[in-house]
Amino acid sequence: NAGVTQTPKFRVLKTGQSMTLLCAQDMNHEYMYWYRQDPGMGLRLIHYSVGEGTTAKGEVPDGYNVSRLKKQNFLLGLESAAPSQTSVYFCASRRTTGFLYEQYFGPGTRLTVT
Amino acid sequence: AQSVTQLGSHVSVSEGALVLLRCNYSSSVPPYLFWYVQYPNQGLQLLLKYTSAATLVKGINGFEAEFKKSETSFHLTKPSAHMSDAAEYFCVVSDERDSNYQLIWGAGTKLIIKP
Repeated sequence: NAGVTQTPKFRVLKTGQSMTLLCAQDMNHEYMYWYRQDPGMGLRLIHYSVGEGTTAKGEVPDGYNVSRLKKQNFLLGLESAAPSQTSVYFCASRRTTGFLYEQYFGPGTRLTVT
Repeated sequence: AQSVTQLGSHVSVSEGALVLLRCNYSSSVPPYLFWYVQYPNQGLQLLLKYTSAATLVKGINGFEAEFKKSETSFHLTKPSAHMSDAAEYFCVVSDERDSNYQLIWGAGTKLIIKP
């Protein structure tokens, strides 16, 4: 099993450009999350999904959109990138049986907006 | 609201010395607690978790953490630091208000190992 994978690993955007980050998991997890990691701030939740076709806002959703058309994929979109969105983005997933707080993380995407 | 505080954004220890990374949480109800580790240019990996079964929790790579309800603390320790322990460590607490089992993250502590 590959676990949670993220595409791309690195990206540089100019202000105003758009892009989509792809997260894929092969563990059949219902829940998926998008976080951003900034220095000195830990991880902050952007959006999450509790199942295929559903999405919900997290702590810092402004400037981002998400879609969960397939259970295994969770897409994060930036419609008009801003320098404040320079960050490392992590995707995670979790199961709905057993210990429910454990999340499984992808390797991250480092995004720079100039 | 639930929060978690990690004391020290950077901790430096010599190889072979004791590692102590401090974490305090704010909750009247003992939550679930975790330590995650992030090695340079890698993703996040669960180091250990406290789920109320035992107050002393052992994790991977020789790390352990002790849950102390009276001090609302969950400090991470390792008796003897190794160069490969250099990483960023995050203390994480469960958000009991949330029915979706969300996590609340500390700001992280970067562990530096001196040869």
